[in-house]
Amino acid sequence: DVKVTQSSRYLVKRTGEKVFLECVQDMDHENMFWYRQDPGLGLRLIYFSYDVKMKEKGDIPEGYSVSREKKERFSLILESASTNQTSMYLCASSLSTKDRGYEQYFGPGTRLTVT
Amino acid sequence: RKEVEQDPGPFNVPEGATVAFNCTYSNSASQSFFWYRQDCRKEPKLLMSVYSSGNEDGRFTAQLNRASQYISLLIRDSKLSDSATYLCVVKNSSASKIIFGSGTRLSIRP
Repeated sequence: DVKVTQSSRYLVKRTGEKVFLECVQDMDHENMFWYRQDPGLGLRLIYFSYDVKMKEKGDIPEGYSVSREKKERFSLILESASTNQTSMYLCASSLSTKDRGYEQYFGPGTRLTVT
Repeated sequence: RKEVEQDPGPFNVPEGATVAFNCTYSNSASQSFFWYRQDCRKEPKLLMSVYSSGNEDGRFTAQLNRASQYISLLIRDSKLSDSATYLCVVKNSSASKIIFGSGTRLSIRP
């Protein structure tokens, strides 16, 4: 079974704080993703990585950065948290084989509140 | 126009009924299609991939209509445990373009 874990289920931070969200997967997947999910907007891709030290911007990268120093770990960083970054953050990983398409496995999510 | 559109619902149907919902996509170059299920306050989980020839997994049938650019999900003999939000996912050839629909909420009543 694929397992994707995230460092916190719930997090409360103050405006202006630097926030680190960690994600670890144990299935040797090449690809890892960070999404945020908001009511009515669905999941929106923030950043993704297809290899160690590689990263690409998703649809809403502003205000975020990422780090992938090891294959199994993908970190999302909020440089200076703002209230509009209050959201559910979901990490996912996937293989990228043609046979299996692009199936993604998600972590349990981190509900971040910025006050 | 959104790249992937779903009727948000809720679809409220009695147990045992058959229910179907569609998802439309705007990019004709889209290559891979999936249905995910998300329970309340849980993460999305892959329900099934959608193949060109259509595919069935127990009570669930997924179909792709490339000409009209939509995918569908049919659930037969619905169970209370089928209550969830169903997310349509579309991927084109670029690794960055994985688009999730906003989801269709399904509620099965006894």
